[in-house]
Amino acid sequence: GENVEQHPSTLSVQEGDSAVIKCTYSDSASNYFPWYKQELGKRPQLIIDIRSNVGEKKDQRIAVTLNKTAKHFSLHITETQPEDSAVYFCAARGLGNDMRFGAGTRLTVKP
Amino acid sequence: EADIYQTPRYLVIGTGKKITLECSQTMGHDKMYWYQQDPGMELHLIHYSYGVNSTEKGDLSSESTVSRIRTEHFPLTLESARPSHTSQYLCASSSAGGPLSEQFFGPGTRLTVL
Repeated sequence: GENVEQHPSTLSVQEGDSAVIKCTYSDSASNYFPWYKQELGKRPQLIIDIRSNVGEKKDQRIAVTLNKTAKHFSLHITETQPEDSAVYFCAARGLGNDMRFGAGTRLTVKP
Repeated sequence: EADIYQTPRYLVIGTGKKITLECSQTMGHDKMYWYQQDPGMELHLIHYSYGVNSTEKGDLSSESTVSRIRTEHFPLTLESARPSHTSQYLCASSSAGGPLSEQFFGPGTRLTVL
């Protein structure tokens, strides 16, 4: 089955700086890669996703890149703001249809 | 509004009690899931269902059981709660539209077993 690894586990940046979170996956058949943001006490919310036929996707300050050959994908947040502080989870879903989540990254944006 | 609903949102009970955590969705989804998560920590899949009368155990061993008698309803039951069951339980659902379908989460039930 799929195995997803996520790094770093914690990340602290100054407001305005960029943040990058990286994930690797093991199943080469995986073709859907969502990212979730979970604020304290809230449910995980989908913030961006990418399908395997696309190498990069951008939505305002967030972007995701996918390297299928290397089996890794990354979340990029530019011009970080204090409200970006949360736990971020990457995930991968393969043909077996089961979603596998990374262990999460706790992002802290210092004002 | 299409959403996933979980009740209760918070529950404090004593050891040995039987409890049922409710999850219902009005998303029209076939697939439903239960995750166990300590606050801010990793999501552990404990049960899932691909449709009515279909239930499977997830990656994390759990003493809970689930049922899927109706498409929109996926309750989780603990026959005898223990302090080790203290955690947050998140219900989720997705459509049967293949591996590219998004997964949505409910607001969670925070369980404390004394």
